[in-house]
Amino acid sequence: GQQVMQIPQYQHVQEGEDFTTYCNSSTTLSNIQWYKQRPGGHPVFLIQLVKSGEVKKQKRLTFQFGEAKKNSSLHITATQTTDVGTYFCAGPRDKIIFGKGTRLHILP
Amino acid sequence: EPEVTQTPSHQVTQMGQEVILRCVPISNHLYFYWYRQILGQKVEFLVSFYNNEISEKSEIFDDQFSVERPDGSNFTLKIRSTKLEDSAMYFCASSVTSGRGSSYNEQFFGPGTRLTVL
Repeated sequence: GQQVMQIPQYQHVQEGEDFTTYCNSSTTLSNIQWYKQRPGGHPVFLIQLVKSGEVKKQKRLTFQFGEAKKNSSLHITATQTTDVGTYFCAGPRDKIIFGKGTRLHILP
Repeated sequence: EPEVTQTPSHQVTQMGQEVILRCVPISNHLYFYWYRQILGQKVEFLVSFYNNEISEKSEIFDDQFSVERPDGSNFTLKIRSTKLEDSAMYFCASSVTSGRGSSYNEQFFGPGTRLTVL
């Protein structure tokens, strides 16, 4: 079946270090979305990527969509304590499929 | 800022009982969704709803589940005979567009209802 895989599952970084999470789909995606979920909270939409090879930036966050539209990445530069949470990618194919998420812990 | 609301915030029920989870989507949104998240796990899509009918559903959304938009504002998820494994956080979401193809699809999630089946 259709799968969206994310790695790593967990990431501990020192505050100020960079962080990257990767998302891979078994099938081509028409678009991909990224969400952030704070501990005990609900998913909050971050961005949607549509075009092959697309790169978008939001302040310290950089999102990429692969050329084949089967993979994506989220890179955070100089992490801050407010970045703590789980980052999910989600890809629409026939159904909306979320990755398992990458849980980011920031060490002060 | 408009937001999706969900009631109740926590529902405790006995196995085999019916539960109805309620959601009020953002008023100008046309697409509605239910997701569930078992503690510590990923968000799982259950169903999407548009124009008063189901547009997509996952394998999880079997005959025990149903959705309804009984009036112009509420969107409900009914579980007919709850099982222990239905214990999870259930999120409702809404969006302006469907998100298919290149259409922009920012989904707004509600705070969730924690369902505990005993």
